[in-house]
Amino acid sequence: DVKVTQSSRYLVKRTGEKVFLECVQDMDHENMFWYRQDPGLGLRLIYFSYDVKMKEKGDIPEGYSVSREKKERFSLILESASTNQTSMYLCASIPGTSGSPSYEQYFGPGTRLTVT
Amino acid sequence: GDSVTQMEGPVTLSEEAFLTINCTYTATGYPSLFWYVQYPGEGLQLLLKATKADDKGSNKGFEATYRKETTSFHLEKGSVQVSDSAVYFCALSGPFGNEKLTFGTGTRLTIIP
Repeated sequence: DVKVTQSSRYLVKRTGEKVFLECVQDMDHENMFWYRQDPGLGLRLIYFSYDVKMKEKGDIPEGYSVSREKKERFSLILESASTNQTSMYLCASIPGTSGSPSYEQYFGPGTRLTVT
Repeated sequence: GDSVTQMEGPVTLSEEAFLTINCTYTATGYPSLFWYVQYPGEGLQLLLKATKADDKGSNKGFEATYRKETTSFHLEKGSVQVSDSAVYFCALSGPFGNEKLTFGTGTRLTIIP
């Protein structure tokens, strides 16, 4: 059974702290994504990666960075947390372009981050 | 850039009612189209997809047809159940299907017995 896990379900941090959100998938997928989910805004793409050491900015990258040192792990970093980064963060993965097309992104359970 | 517009909620229906959630999109080229669902307390999961014009995606009694002429992908179900209560997201990606997703704002559906 495919699985995407995220390090925490709930997290509370203070303004200015450096925050790490970890995502691990066990499906040997090349492509991984970080989205944030906010009421009335849906899901918006923060960063994505199509390979180890590779990263691309999504639609709302400001205030975030990412790290992909191993294929199975994709980390989201809030360099200096702010209250407007309070949100639900979702990680997803999908196979890359090799082999048959795959259309289903697999999502983790999400991390609800509160910045106070 | 690409965008998805979906019907705003919340939507409340009685059990066995007919459901339509509208979704239209703007994209260059030939996107793949999806409906994802988020049940209470759970992560997102793919409900159905369509990868080319006139394709019909279907799953769990839900259907949606890829209409290129109207740039639409409306979700329908003939008879909803209480267990269908969830948030539904329309989304698109590039033609290969493994690219980033662009989501609509989501529609919260509540079914009352």
